[in-house]
Amino acid sequence: EDQVTQSPEALRLQEGESSSLNCSYTVSGLRGLFWYRQDPGKGPEFLFTLYSAGEEKEKERLKATITKKESFLHITAPKPEDSATYLCAVPFDGSGNTGKLIFGQGTTLQVKP
Amino acid sequence: NAGVMQNPRHLVRRRGQEARLRCSPMKGHSHVYWYRQLPEEGLKFMVYLQKENIIDESGMPKERFSAEFPKEGPSILRIQQVVRGDSAAYFCASSRQGNQPQHFGDGTRLSIL
Repeated sequence: EDQVTQSPEALRLQEGESSSLNCSYTVSGLRGLFWYRQDPGKGPEFLFTLYSAGEEKEKERLKATITKKESFLHITAPKPEDSATYLCAVPFDGSGNTGKLIFGQGTTLQVKP
Repeated sequence: NAGVMQNPRHLVRRRGQEARLRCSPMKGHSHVYWYRQLPEEGLKFMVYLQKENIIDESGMPKERFSAEFPKEGPSILRIQQVVRGDSAAYFCASSRQGNQPQHFGDGTRLSIL
């Protein structure tokens, strides 16, 4: 069964303290992995798409990487405004179409000033 | 540059009533997806629609729930005879093509009295 597992569930950092969030997935034939950011009371905001092992994407203090089994979201020198829940998702492969995304439970990041 | 628009943002219904949730996709997007987020749970796929067609409804409960995306107008998620367990945040997403990143609205929070 296709699954997405994120760790840790919650992460507290001091401002400027870099760290990484993990997303492990088990799908047969990866057709993309998506990272989203979700603020309380809001919908997920698209951050990155990664398609193949070794690929990297960057945006401000965030950098996403991917291997054949997992993806990492690296946060360099985070600021309080980076506090949010970070979600990863993969397309479900079973039906042959990629409309259905399977989401992990998310990592809730809190950055203290 | 409007994103995905959902309304209402909050909806209160009594048990047994009907709930109608609306979603207008981003301009130029013809693929719409509905997800449900129960309290303390992750986002779960419900249904994937393209104009006038249901592509995948594998995540939608067989009874009481229906979705449509007519040629003109917004996509509608309809829940008949609501029960307490239907209380959740319902998110709509859209994409230009089926294999492209999905962009989310800010959701409708449904509360059942």
